[in-house]
Amino acid sequence: NAGVMQNPRHLVRRRGQEARLRCSPMKGHSHVYWYRQLPEEGLKFMVYLQKENIIDESGMPKERFSAEFPKEGPSILRIQQVVRGDSAAYFCASSPQGGGSFGDTQYFGPGTRLTVL
Amino acid sequence: GQQLNQSPQSMFIQEGEDVSMNCTSSSIFNTWLWYKQDPGEGPVLLIALYKAGELTSNGRLTAQFGITRKDSFLNISASIPSDVGIYFCAGRRIQGAQKLVFGQGTRLTINP
Repeated sequence: NAGVMQNPRHLVRRRGQEARLRCSPMKGHSHVYWYRQLPEEGLKFMVYLQKENIIDESGMPKERFSAEFPKEGPSILRIQQVVRGDSAAYFCASSPQGGGSFGDTQYFGPGTRLTVL
Repeated sequence: GQQLNQSPQSMFIQEGEDVSMNCTSSSIFNTWLWYKQDPGEGPVLLIALYKAGELTSNGRLTAQFGITRKDSFLNISASIPSDVGIYFCAGRRIQGAQKLVFGQGTRLTINP
């Protein structure tokens, strides 16, 4: 099953540390999206990337958060100097076409659950 | 920001009953998607709708894209224990907008 893969599944950090979340899209998909889910809430869009490009980061906090999708390797969501409010589930999705094109569908990974102590 | 209003927030039903949930918005959406999320897992796509008025089935699940393009519903017939979980509607607001907007979810609990 070559679905979207995320690691780690669970990550514990102390306040002030850095968190790195990884996402490998489905085979053949070159469009990656990151979403954040707080307990008992729906997912909220953070950022949309294609290989080596950030296309839309309108949902990303202006400070401490960054994302990349290099030519080789997984997409990385990086959170610097984590605070307790960063505790959430972070989901990655991938799609084959991207750009909101007709019929394009996003497939989600299992998520990384970040806990900040 | 953009938001989808999903209802009900939770449902407690008996096994075998039919289930209905819906999603509404004050804005027009050109794509509606329904996902199911199990505890500790990511959302899994159930049904995708791309045209106003479209009615699509996937086994015991049926979903419709509202004519006004501002709403969608999901029905589950003859519920079984494995239907338990959280169901999310998601929409794409305008053509070319890549991000999905999610509803708050409907938590389905089934009494055997």
